[in-house]
Amino acid sequence: EAQVTQNPRYLITVTGKKLTVTCSQNMNHEYMSWYRQDPGLGLRQIYYSMNVEVTDKGDVPEGYKVSRKEKRNFPLILESPSPNQTSLYFCASSLAGALNNEQFFGPGTRLTVL
Amino acid sequence: GENVEQHPSTLSVQEGDSAVIKCTYSDSASNYFPWYKQELGKRPQLIIDIRSNVGEKKDQRIAVTLNKTAKHFSLHITETQPEDSAVYFCAAGTSGTYKYIFGTGTRLKVLA
Repeated sequence: EAQVTQNPRYLITVTGKKLTVTCSQNMNHEYMSWYRQDPGLGLRQIYYSMNVEVTDKGDVPEGYKVSRKEKRNFPLILESPSPNQTSLYFCASSLAGALNNEQFFGPGTRLTVL
Repeated sequence: GENVEQHPSTLSVQEGDSAVIKCTYSDSASNYFPWYKQELGKRPQLIIDIRSNVGEKKDQRIAVTLNKTAKHFSLHITETQPEDSAVYFCAAGTSGTYKYIFGTGTRLKVLA
């Protein structure tokens, strides 16, 4: 089954404790992206990747890191989480450069930073 | 920076009526405009999209119109049904940068 998976789905952590949210897709998509969703703010792009070893900042990259060592995986790293990073996070992937191509979203990761 | 404004934030319609959601974008380089539907507790899913070289696109009860001059695009849902109740997001994408800017969402309620 073609899909985007994220782990964990739910996470409660404390300020400053490094964490990684994994994202994996099995559709051989070149483009992958991370978004955060907050009430009243919609979806905001954090980072995106055009292909292996190519990443770029989205609108809200501060406090986040990503890597793209393999085509299928695009982990989101919070080196020192803070309470303002409490949010619902979505990973997405699509073919080629993403334009004119449907982005497939993962199920979401709800993160709470205390 | 670039932004996408979406209105209204909430919309209630009677079953069978039409619903219209409007978005305005600021980046004149934007050339791809998808619409996503997000049901409660679920992930966003693409329902329709339009490119900048097209003025209108239809898919059954759903249509999207684009006015490049005014930088407006709209989602039209006809003959609404209770299962259309969800949050709808518009977005603007730009070739070359491959960044997406999303609107803040519209919560549509279809009243039976």
